[in-house]
Amino acid sequence: EAQVTQNPRYLITVTGKKLTVTCSQNMNHEYMSWYRQDPGLGLRQIYYSMNVEVTDKGDVPEGYKVSRKEKRNFPLILESPSPNQTSLYFCASSFGQGGYNEQFFGPGTRLTVL
Amino acid sequence: ILNVEQSPQSLHVQEGDSTNFTCSFPSSNFYALHWYRWETAKSPEALFVMTLNGDEKKKGRISATLNTKEGYSYLYIKGSQPEDSATYLCAPLRKGAQKLVFGQGTRLTINP
Repeated sequence: EAQVTQNPRYLITVTGKKLTVTCSQNMNHEYMSWYRQDPGLGLRQIYYSMNVEVTDKGDVPEGYKVSRKEKRNFPLILESPSPNQTSLYFCASSFGQGGYNEQFFGPGTRLTVL
Repeated sequence: ILNVEQSPQSLHVQEGDSTNFTCSFPSSNFYALHWYRWETAKSPEALFVMTLNGDEKKKGRISATLNTKEGYSYLYIKGSQPEDSATYLCAPLRKGAQKLVFGQGTRLTINP
């Protein structure tokens, strides 16, 4: 089944404790992206990747890191999480270049930073 | 940052009625517009990707039109059903950009 998976789905952590949210897709998509969703705001892009070893900042990259060592995986790293990073996070992927084709979203990761 | 406006923010419609809502975006440097449906406790799913002025796309009872010159798109739902209850997101893409900018969405509730 074609899908985007994220782990964990739910996470409660404390300020400053490094964490990684994994994202994997099995559709051989070139483009992958991370978004966060906060109440009253639309989906905001954190980082995106056009292909292996090619990543770039989105609109809200502060406090996050990403890597794209393999085509299928695009982990989101929070080196020192803070409470303002409490949010619902989505990973998405698509064929080709970003925005030109429909994006497939993962199930979401709900993160709470205490 | 691209300014994307969706209206109304929320909408309650009786089952069987038809409805529509709007996505407005800057018309300069337009390349494509995406519509997504986001049901509660699920993840967004693509409905349409539209690129041409005057484009009209249809999927079952849902259709969308695009006016790139004036910078808006309409989403129509004919004969609303309870399963249409969701938040509908639009996201335009500018030429040369590599990322979508999402609107805040229109939350649609269908009353049985």
